[in-house]
Formats: sequence, C-alpha cells, structure tokens
Amino acid sequence: EDQVTQSPEALRLQEGESSSLNCSYTVSGLRGLFWYRQDPGKGPEFLFTLYSAGEEKEKERLKATLTKKESFLHITAPKPEDSATYLCAVQAGNTGKLIFGQGTTLQVKP
Amino acid sequence: NAGVTQTPKFQVLKTGQSMTLQCAQDMNHNSMYWYRQDPGMGLRLIYYSASEGTTDKGEVPNGYNVSRLNKREFSLRLESAAPSQTSVYFCASSESPMANYGYTFGSGTRLTVV
Repeated sequence: EDQVTQSPEALRLQEGESSSLNCSYTVSGLRGLFWYRQDPGKGPEFLFTLYSAGEEKEKERLKATLTKKESFLHITAPKPEDSATYLCAVQAGNTGKLIFGQGTTLQVKP
Repeated sequence: NAGVTQTPKFQVLKTGQSMTLQCAQDMNHNSMYWYRQDPGMGLRLIYYSASEGTTDKGEVPNGYNVSRLNKREFSLRLESAAPSQTSVYFCASSESPMANYGYTFGSGTRLTVV
C-alpha cells in the first residue's frame, strides 16, 4: 500500500536556526514527490516537484532533496514568516492522484 | 486570477441534511479533485475527475457523490450528512492528471455536522 509519513509532527525553531523536515514514502512506481505549504485557514500552496533520486530544488530559504526512500525539506536561517504546515505528497501510477502525509507544523519564533 | 473558488466557506448541517459543495476553476484545467482534511489524518482524496465527463472514487468516497458539470465546475454532494463528515473540504485542479507542477487548491469549506 502506498504510504507517506512525515516527521516531526511539529517543530519549533528560533529565527535563524536551520533544520530539516523529513518525508518517508513507500510507493510503487514513484512518478513525482511534491512539497506544499499550508497557512492556517488556507489551501495548500505548491512549492516543489522532485522526480528522481539525487534531484534538488531551491526556493528562497527552502531546499528540497530526494532519495529513493525519502525527501527532506531543508530550511536555512528561517524567519517567522516561514511558519506554516508543510505537506509532502507522492504521485504514483498513471492516475495522477496525490497521496499526502500528515504534515509538519513549523513555528519560527523571532 | 481567481484560481479555484469554493463555496460556501463555512457551513453547519444537522445530521441527515443534504448539501452540495461547489467548486469552480478558471485556469482551463482538465483535472479536478475533492479532498477532505482532518487533524492527524492529512489530506484524503474523496473523488476525482481526470477530465470532463469522467469521475472516479478516491480513498474515502462513501457518503459522497460528485458531478463534473463542465470543464470549470466540479461539485461534491452529501446526501445525508453524518457527524463523521465534519471536516475541511478542499477542491483542487491540475492541467492534467500527471501535471508536474502539482495541484492548485481552493481555500476550503469548513463543514460541521451536528
């Protein structure tokens, strides 16, 4: 069964304190791995798509990496505005359906 | 750009009542999806429509029906609401089922069934 597990569930950082979020997956025939950001009361917002092991993508203070079993979202020198829930999802097979993890809620304190 | 618009934003239903959640996108996307989000459960797919005229069940379809009214609109109907359907519902769309930039989500409908 396709499965996505994110850790930790919650993460508190001081402004400027770098860290990483983990997304472990078990899927048959990975087509793509997606990262989203979700602010309270809003829908998820697309950040990155990764397709193959070794691939990396960056956006401002965020960098996503992919291995054959997991993905990391590295946050460098975070700011309070980076506080949000970060969702990981995998796409398998030909239907395009995304399977989401439970998310990691990040709080960055000034 | 409006993107994906969901109505209503909030709704309270009594057990057994019915309602339809509306979703419309203005990006000329072919594929549309309904998810529900519950604490600790993540986003779970209810139904999806890969293209106009087609619909398929997702992970948690029981108690729901959908209609792909046209390319723009995809509605979700609860025929007889139950407290277990209390959740936040998100509609999403993508250019195609395998679009490489993922989905565009609406802002959600917060539904409470009492």
